[in-house]
Amino acid sequence: QKEVEQNSGPLSVPEGAIASLNCTYSDRGSQSFFWYRQYSGKSPELIMSIYSNGDKEDGRFTAQLNKASQYVSLLIRDSQPSDSATYLCAVKGGGFKTIFGAGTRLFVKA
Amino acid sequence: DAMVIQNPRYQVTQFGKPVTLSCSQTLNHNVMYWYQQKSSQAPKLLFHYYDKDFNNEADTPDNFQSRRPNTSFCFLDIRSPGLGDAAMYLCATSRDAGVNEKLFFGSGTQLSVL
Repeated sequence: QKEVEQNSGPLSVPEGAIASLNCTYSDRGSQSFFWYRQYSGKSPELIMSIYSNGDKEDGRFTAQLNKASQYVSLLIRDSQPSDSATYLCAVKGGGFKTIFGAGTRLFVKA
Repeated sequence: DAMVIQNPRYQVTQFGKPVTLSCSQTLNHNVMYWYQQKSSQAPKLLFHYYDKDFNNEADTPDNFQSRRPNTSFCFLDIRSPGLGDAAMYLCATSRDAGVNEKLFFGSGTQLSVL
């Protein structure tokens, strides 16, 4: 079983719609959860972090965490073509290691 | 601006020819990491330095070595690159080892092996 699982996509949404990206993780000891955006051929950049159950909003982005279900999601409201990228879910327990999922490719159609 | 800088952006080497990738940071972060990312795969941690303390992941091949001569610089040495080592190599830093610490990535080095 992979430690962090994501649907590889592509997820295609029209411009202005809500994009919903999901992630599950296997280690119940995970304490911190991150969403990184990665454009093709570029390095990942952090867009959201969440540490406790519930929702966290930042602009058009909302991260949701449910530790009981070992589930993290990212909602992107009013999706723009510039949001087209791969979104990597990452989890961290104690220590140094951040474990990444393989990412979900999002395509926003103009 | 404080940042993480990787050089070169693209590196081509020959099968079996040693290659070194470099990373520098102006963030004054304690921890530096090397990740390997193959196409459509998750970034995979190879090793990290916490200050001068080196930590190798258990499944990192012996072919991969790292050096951190000072706080600002970290190098990845691939002693005998194979075709399977072609990948994007990502250097990242974090301020410290806390559970909430985020990663700051450099722009990556895309390695090709001919």
